[in-house]
Amino acid sequence: DAKTTQPNSMESNEEEPVHLPCNHSTISGTDYIHWYRQLPSQGPEYVIHGLTSNVNNRMASLAIAEDRKSSTLILHRATLRDAAVYYCILRDVWGQGAQKLVFGQGTRLTINP
Amino acid sequence: NAGVTQTPKFRILKIGQSMTLQCTQDMNHNYMYWYRQDPGMGLKLIYYSVGAGITDKGEVPNGYNVSRSTTEDFPLRLELAAPSQTSVYFCASIAGREMNTEAFFGQGTRLTVV
Repeated sequence: DAKTTQPNSMESNEEEPVHLPCNHSTISGTDYIHWYRQLPSQGPEYVIHGLTSNVNNRMASLAIAEDRKSSTLILHRATLRDAAVYYCILRDVWGQGAQKLVFGQGTRLTINP
Repeated sequence: NAGVTQTPKFRILKIGQSMTLQCTQDMNHNYMYWYRQDPGMGLKLIYYSVGAGITDKGEVPNGYNVSRSTTEDFPLRLELAAPSQTSVYFCASIAGREMNTEAFFGQGTRLTVV
């Protein structure tokens, strides 16, 4: 199984950028890197994904290392609403062709006002 | 679209009771999943389904059963509730095989077994 490693927790200040790292040294060539976040008392929600190139959307940016063994989720201006647990996931295929979404511990992001 | 809807939101069960957690999605997604999340932990996969009539075990299937008679619904059954099944349960769906599509999650069912 491809696995990811993330810091258990990070802290930042409101309106400052946040860089959330993820290591995935055993990634295969076809694994997509996905990020989800889980706000308190809610289900996970999709943030962003990428394969090789850096990606931007309205929520965040994803920077992928050239060797794809690590990636960084970037929140450009954190708000209090961004306080959540962030999960870095490698999409893989399981039995019967189903996609595997394996969640690790994630990074708990605290935003200080 | 409502997305993924789970019912009930909260439930307290006594040891040995049974219940069904309901999950329905209105996006015509083929793949559906059940996860459990214990306090302070990540999500663990219980069962998944790749389409109506097809289900398979995930990482922690013991004590649970599932069925998938329609594309929309994927209920999770607890036959003999145990305190170890106290957890928050999340249902999720994905459109298909493509790796670049997002997963949608329900709001969760918080289950306490006493």
